[in-house]
Amino acid sequence: EIVMTQSPATLSVSPGERATLSCRASQSVSSNLAWYQQKPGQAPRLLIYGASTRATGIPARFSGSGSGTEFTLTISSLQSEDFAVYYCQQYNNWPPKYTFGQGTKLEIK
Amino acid sequence: QVQLVQSGAEVKKPGSSVKVSCKASGGTFSSYTISWVRQAPGQGLEWMGRIIPIFGTANYAQKFQGRVTITADESTSTAYMELSSLRSEDTAVYYCARALVATEFDYWGQGTLVTVSS
Repeated sequence: EIVMTQSPATLSVSPGERATLSCRASQSVSSNLAWYQQKPGQAPRLLIYGASTRATGIPARFSGSGSGTEFTLTISSLQSEDFAVYYCQQYNNWPPKYTFGQGTKLEIK
Repeated sequence: QVQLVQSGAEVKKPGSSVKVSCKASGGTFSSYTISWVRQAPGQGLEWMGRIIPIFGTANYAQKFQGRVTITADESTSTAYMELSSLRSEDTAVYYCARALVATEFDYWGQGTLVTVSS
């Protein structure tokens, strides 16, 4: 099973600043990686797929990069609505056995 | 507009089973797969399995193999997840999510809280 490891577990950033979240895969997942945002009491929302493509309606301040085993989600200028938990997910297996990282909580500094 | 609407909250006894539904609208049900993902209180996301409705074939995470059954009814655009032999550790919010054959989850249901308690 491919294990996804996110870091840090919690990230404290001030509004207007940049946030950088990391995700590492235990083996290569090529670019088959997605990022999701989850707010309390809500379902996850797709932000990024294919490691770097923004989903429909996602603001340009969200960007994804990486391939293989190392991935990054960057939020360029944090808005109040961006404080949430972020998960990475790989979908590289066949048949698919999706795995998620344990999440990074982005909190207000 | 695509929507996945799940059935309501359930309270179950240990050892019993629960069946949660997920009705899709606004898209072509047969063109996608439906996965089930659960989230225990205060914890992360855990993929349980998925089904390809047009073929009726399902595959499951090893952890849940033998205890979970995912089915779909194309005539009503509804997917189901049944979990048996419930224990307290199965208390969680269960989500359905849509994806193409082997891709990201672009739409999610609102979640169904299943509480297992004696």
